[in-house]
Amino acid sequence: GQSLEQPSEVTAVEGAIVQINCTYQTSGFYGLSWYQQHDGGAPTFLSYNGLDGLEETGRFSSFLSRSDSYGYLLLQELQMKDSASYFCASPEIGGYQKVTFGTGTKLQVIP
Amino acid sequence: DGGITQSPKYLFRKEGQNVTLSCEQNLNHDAMYWYRQDPGQGLRLIYYSQIVNDFQKGDIAEGYSVSREKKESFPLTVTSAQKNPTAFYLCASSISTGFGNQPQHFGDGTRLSIL
Repeated sequence: GQSLEQPSEVTAVEGAIVQINCTYQTSGFYGLSWYQQHDGGAPTFLSYNGLDGLEETGRFSSFLSRSDSYGYLLLQELQMKDSASYFCASPEIGGYQKVTFGTGTKLQVIP
Repeated sequence: DGGITQSPKYLFRKEGQNVTLSCEQNLNHDAMYWYRQDPGQGLRLIYYSQIVNDFQKGDIAEGYSVSREKKESFPLTVTSAQKNPTAFYLCASSISTGFGNQPQHFGDGTRLSIL
């Protein structure tokens, strides 16, 4: 089985940078995805790391370290609309497409 | 535009009643999923399907059932055996590559409550 742990809440100031961490324990590992979910809404895909290192997509970047079983999502130039929950997720190795989601981090951006 | 449609948006269940949540996608995706989300919590996998006429139990399948008779459709039935069904239910789909690294596309969800 898999488990992915995240901090439950993070607060940051508009315009600042915030890092959301994800530590995982898995019996096998393909890679790490990140999703954003606004209150009452559907999760939307942000990024995927299949290899170690940094992936950059606009204001968002995601990092993976397989040796440390750790990844993070970095949000730069924070905007009020970035207030949402963020989930890391990882597929399980095997013949089926089972994906396990992390516990989720609620980000509050304050003026 | 392609996407995933879940209906209804809100659903109320009486004691002892089975209810069915609809999920339809026109993305031509092979893999489909059902998740349950409780307030302030993450997503827990109920059932998933990689191909038509095949599906697998997720982590919390008890009290739920699914079918996959068509590629586009993956309905979820919440049975009377599910004693605490109040939650937000999310359906998702993805391209099936065998590696699980494809992004999942989600519907807008169904909120189920007990009457």
